[in-house]
Amino acid sequence: EVQLVESGGGLVQPGGSLRLSCAASGFTFTRNWMSWVRQAPGKGLEWVANIQGDGSEKNYVDSVRGRFTISRDNAKNSLYLQMNSLRVEDTAVYYCTRDWGGTEKTFDYWGLGTLVTVSS
Amino acid sequence: DIQMTQSPSTLSASVGDRVTITCRASQSINSWLAWYQQKPGKAPKLLIYKASSLETGVPSRFSGSGSGTEFTLTISSLQPDDFATYYCLQYRTHSRTFGQGTKVEVK
Repeated sequence: EVQLVESGGGLVQPGGSLRLSCAASGFTFTRNWMSWVRQAPGKGLEWVANIQGDGSEKNYVDSVRGRFTISRDNAKNSLYLQMNSLRVEDTAVYYCTRDWGGTEKTFDYWGLGTLVTVSS
Repeated sequence: DIQMTQSPSTLSASVGDRVTITCRASQSINSWLAWYQQKPGKAPKLLIYKASSLETGVPSRFSGSGSGTEFTLTISSLQPDDFATYYCLQYRTHSRTFGQGTKVEVK
């Protein structure tokens, strides 16, 4: 059974940093791109970043490029999102999701999400 | 970047109604479009992938169509469990883009 479990969310002041983690199990982690998707309170879904299976390619939405860094540790089946220079508008539930894996599907499995609140 | 325009933003319907949601891409995405259902406080759930392929376990009243820049999600006969928010997603490029969402509410 595929499982994605996020952790690391919490309350942080504007300008601060936070590192999110996602523990993956139940599938061959290295075969899949992985993504972070966020949802601000009462708003829609926004794709944030993704990373190729071997970590060689990374993509970011414009609003986080230069502040957030996506990474993975394939030995630990784990995905990370390092968030620096956080802004109030980064407040959201952050979901880890399984991205492209060579099939025709994407975002077929999601974690439960972890809440990040940026506030003074 | 590819922009996705989803309409309507809100749809009021009754049980048994046929419901149609549209998504338009700013450039051709071939058939690289997926549809998701989200209920309050829950993670999104994949319904349709590759524009028209039904995800395993999803009821057959859900269907998707389209290619290029115009796509449609249809619920043939709305059921009580279907009141939710629906999102389209383009995955033609590695920089993914969601539509703004359509909330299907009780009429």
